[in-house]
Amino acid sequence: DAMVIQNPRYQVTQFGKPVTLSCSQTLNHNVMYWYQQKSSQAPKLLFHYYDKDFNNEADTPDNFQSRRPNTSFCFLDIRSPGLGDAAMYLCATSRDGRGGTDTQYFGPGTRLTVL
Amino acid sequence: AQSVTQLDSHVSVSEGTPVLLRCNYSSSYSPSLFWYVQHPNKGLQLLLKYTSAATLVKGINGFEAEFKKSETSFHLTKPSAHMSDAAEYFCVVSDSLTTDSWGKFQFGAGTQVVVTP
Repeated sequence: DAMVIQNPRYQVTQFGKPVTLSCSQTLNHNVMYWYQQKSSQAPKLLFHYYDKDFNNEADTPDNFQSRRPNTSFCFLDIRSPGLGDAAMYLCATSRDGRGGTDTQYFGPGTRLTVL
Repeated sequence: AQSVTQLDSHVSVSEGTPVLLRCNYSSSYSPSLFWYVQHPNKGLQLLLKYTSAATLVKGINGFEAEFKKSETSFHLTKPSAHMSDAAEYFCVVSDSLTTDSWGKFQFGAGTQVVVTP
């Protein structure tokens, strides 16, 4: 059974046209994360939510925003995509995130192409 | 501060032969260590994790890893490679000052595994 679901799996957008990526989870986890992964690189954390508390990484561009309307759903909004934003976007969840022992569960990712 | 070094960016093995993926870490506190696998255009799947229990950890698909504190290593092994093991593998460290502090994942750069017939 799918636990972390991302839609769509592939997204094509035009330069500067806003785009929203979706993530949902059936695990009832408190924490949800968004990562950006470029080709042949490790995932890079953009931000995470602990319940409703939003935590932005210091080097995440302002062009990236996120919403978490409820426990199950989290959205990544890219306000004005540039060519450099083409990447795989991974959503992950963890039960708590504290203490350093928690496991992150990843979705299948959304491959974003910017034309 | 925490960091992870995967010593090989690319490993090529023949089907049926052992696989060894090397990972060294640094951590200020007691770390948790993870290995994830990523097949092309897929998300990351957890292979195994270490969180201060047994130092030899068994995971899925025949993989195992041994935590060696004295060597600050967490190498991943499999006795016999299968074609389906061809993928990218990430070693990850997570730690925190206390059980109530935030634990951030630090990823290694990844190791690409190629399996030849």
